[in-house]
Amino acid sequence: NAGVTQTPKFRILKIGQSMTLQCTQDMNHNYMYWYRQDPGMGLKLIYYSVGAGITDKGEVPNGYNVSRSTTEDFPLRLELAAPSQTSVYFCASSRIIPGQGRANYGYTFGSGTRLTVV
Amino acid sequence: KNEVEQSPQNLTAQEGEFITINCSYSVGISALHWLQQHPGGGIVSLFMLSSGKKKHGRLIATINIQEKHSSLHITASHPRDSAVYICAVIYSGGATNKLIFGTGTLLAVQP
Repeated sequence: NAGVTQTPKFRILKIGQSMTLQCTQDMNHNYMYWYRQDPGMGLKLIYYSVGAGITDKGEVPNGYNVSRSTTEDFPLRLELAAPSQTSVYFCASSRIIPGQGRANYGYTFGSGTRLTVV
Repeated sequence: KNEVEQSPQNLTAQEGEFITINCSYSVGISALHWLQQHPGGGIVSLFMLSSGKKKHGRLIATINIQEKHSSLHITASHPRDSAVYICAVIYSGGATNKLIFGTGTLLAVQP
């Protein structure tokens, strides 16, 4: 069972470069999320998606873009890398059944991408 | 003030000790997660709770919705339990089903 797969695991970028963090899930989850984790801080939501073709901003979206062309894939794009984007990035997914309230709130996380911008 | 507070921030225990990590939150929630993160590693969901108590092996999680408080207990702790334990709540006030995270408790279990 693959679950949520993130690539790459590590990356060093120069200021101003761009890159895409890949995230794929094979559980047919409708909700997908990107979080960043900074030292001493709780994870913060960057972007999320409730289904293919639908994305929205989270708490810290500046400097990032996302797309959700399929249920499985939710890539995160950094256009002009800045040192403030040095962080560990986690992709996560969950399956919410509309109308069933608290059903299926379980989360599955990817293994993380450690990004350094120099 | 953070919406999710954990205590203690750091905890050192001897192998075999009973461990308790606490989580308090100030927002309305649908459910609460306890997560485990090993150094340099990914995040694994240990429990998802919306009421009462759950047990898995040596791990027990409880939640009191009225008091907005949850605890994670580890019985007969072992060095392999050393990790960061994170409390995260599912905020019930929006459509995102997003998690709001505590800053984590760093647990070190010494042999």
